[in-house]
Amino acid sequence: AQTVTQSQPEMSVQEAETVTLSCTYDTSESDYYLFWYKQPPSRQMILVIRQEAYKQQNATENRFSVNFQKAAKSFSLKISDSQLGDAAMYFCAYRSRFRYGGSQGNLIFGKGTKLSVKP
Amino acid sequence: ETGVTQTPRHLVMGMTNKKSLKCEQHLGHNAMYWYKQSAKKPLELMFVYSLEERVENNSVPSRFSPECPNSSHLFLHLHTLQPEDSALYLCASSHVRRDTQYFGPGTRLTVL
Repeated sequence: AQTVTQSQPEMSVQEAETVTLSCTYDTSESDYYLFWYKQPPSRQMILVIRQEAYKQQNATENRFSVNFQKAAKSFSLKISDSQLGDAAMYFCAYRSRFRYGGSQGNLIFGKGTKLSVKP
Repeated sequence: ETGVTQTPRHLVMGMTNKKSLKCEQHLGHNAMYWYKQSAKKPLELMFVYSLEERVENNSVPSRFSPECPNSSHLFLHLHTLQPEDSALYLCASSHVRRDTQYFGPGTRLTVL
């Protein structure tokens, strides 16, 4: 079974600085998707970035980028020029690409990392 | 953030009550999900509904009962809950089972 591990329960970053959130996963599959979701306090979870395992190029969305190391099964999120609005819980998630049947499309989440941004 | 809505946003209920959580998606999606988010635990998928099938997590107690009358609405019926069922219940939807999921704001449930 696949597992997702976020080893940093909490992180802190100074406004305008850069921070990297870690995520590792375990799978025997070769094709899958990886996601970072952001959940601000008392607000809904939103998708930050998505990576397809068959693509070697790291995904980027404005100030958010990932470092995808497939062999190491690592998927870290880098936030550049941190802003106060980046403060949130960040969840790493895995999804198989080709599994069918009952578990198709199921997201497997890590426990999350709480990011604080200091002004 | 209004693509997936959930009501109520907060719910306090006793162990003998019966209540329902409602989720509605305005994105034209065909798959909907219920997740349970407890403190310091990963999000747990409870139920999935799609055009193709309904999928249940066999570890979910029968005191939780889902209903999906159409592709836009999803309910979670609650009865005789336990205090350990207190959590944030999140609804999500996706175009198809294999597509990216979009989440609602959640219902914060407290069972006394």
